[in-house]
Amino acid sequence: NAGVTQTPKFRILKIGQSMTLQCAQDMNHNYMYWYRQDPGMGLKLIYYSVGAGITDKGEVPNGYNVSRSTTEDFPLRLELAAPSQTSVYFCASSTQGNREGYEQYFGPGTRLTVT
Amino acid sequence: GEDVEQSLFLSVREGDSSVINCTYTDSSSTYLYWYKQEPGAGLQLLTYIFSNMDMKQDQRLTVLLNKKDKHLSLRIADTQTGDSAIYFCAVASGSARQLTFGSGTQLTVLP
Repeated sequence: NAGVTQTPKFRILKIGQSMTLQCAQDMNHNYMYWYRQDPGMGLKLIYYSVGAGITDKGEVPNGYNVSRSTTEDFPLRLELAAPSQTSVYFCASSTQGNREGYEQYFGPGTRLTVT
Repeated sequence: GEDVEQSLFLSVREGDSSVINCTYTDSSSTYLYWYKQEPGAGLQLLTYIFSNMDMKQDQRLTVLLNKKDKHLSLRIADTQTGDSAIYFCAVASGSARQLTFGSGTQLTVLP
């Protein structure tokens, strides 16, 4: 199993550009999440999904959109990038079962700079 | 919403015990987690505790939960230089068990 994969690893965007951060998991997890981590801070939840076709906003959704057309993939779309979106973005997934304490498995992150 | 607080820095000598503390506000939180993050890396789950437990031990790690005071701690016994990292407390709540993270505690282990 590859676990949770994210692409790209790094990206520099100009203000006003758009991009999609890709996230995929091969563990057949229903739950998937997007977090952002600003320098020196903890992670904040952007969006989450409890299954294909179902998404919901987290704490900091403004400026982002998501879709979940399959169980495996959960892309995050940035429209009109702003410097405030400079951050490290982490995707995570988890199972519904409780044998593993609902552990969230994290991807390696995408480091995004908007200039 | 949930608020999770941690102290920012902790320094210990190699071989000593480290204790990292965390407080949270939502008493309905179900699972509480400790994650480790090394420089430039993602998050690694160290351990977790369910809200109906007071203590959990896992090799060198001991987690204590005081539900009344909404206080969680992580004790690392025999701390090694490889334990130097940022440690995040995270609390799960909501229908999808969304995590709320503290700001992280930078642990520095001195030789």
